[in-house]
Amino acid sequence: EDQVTQSPEALRLQEGESSSLNCSYTVSGLRGLFWYRQDPGKGPEFLFTLYSAGEEKEKERLKATLTKKESFLHITAPKPEDSATYLCAVQGTGGGSNYKLTFGKGTLLTVNP
Amino acid sequence: SAVISQKPSRDICQRGTSLTIQCQVDSQVTMMFWYRQQPGQSLTLIATANQGSEATYESGFVIDKFPISRPNLTFSTLTVSNMSPEDSSIYLCSVSRAKEETQYFGPGTRLLVL
Repeated sequence: EDQVTQSPEALRLQEGESSSLNCSYTVSGLRGLFWYRQDPGKGPEFLFTLYSAGEEKEKERLKATLTKKESFLHITAPKPEDSATYLCAVQGTGGGSNYKLTFGKGTLLTVNP
Repeated sequence: SAVISQKPSRDICQRGTSLTIQCQVDSQVTMMFWYRQQPGQSLTLIATANQGSEATYESGFVIDKFPISRPNLTFSTLTVSNMSPEDSSIYLCSVSRAKEETQYFGPGTRLLVL
């Protein structure tokens, strides 16, 4: 069974203070690893898909990286508007429901001005 | 990405009743999914909505409790039947244009069962 663990559960940063969020996973064949951002009262918003170890993707102040066991979401010089819950999910090639996403519980990021 | 809408956006229901949630997409998509997000828990897949055939349910979810319809490539419904307070949750639909592509989520339906 696919599993995803995110850490820390909550992170409080000062504006401009860079940090990283961790997503550890176990999956029977990785089809893709996904990062989403979720604001209160809204559905998850897609950020990145990573497919293989060593891959990196960037968008504004966010950079996602992938190894065979974990992914990191690096936040450089964050701003208050980056405050949200960041969700990590994997899609495996194993049995069960095809193309199912298995999510972690998320990291609640708060950036103080 | 597709524009996805859900109705209702929120509801308060009495135990023992049923609620049908609608998911509408602005363009045809191959895959539609229904997820549940309970407080403090991970997003969990309930079922894959299949166009023209019965939905595929995940372990722990059954058709009698969560009947799903998908009459075409842009619309699906999820019914939460015979509700109890434990069904209080956010219900989300997601879509992808092809089986292997990224899933995009709707805004969610916030359900409170009293």
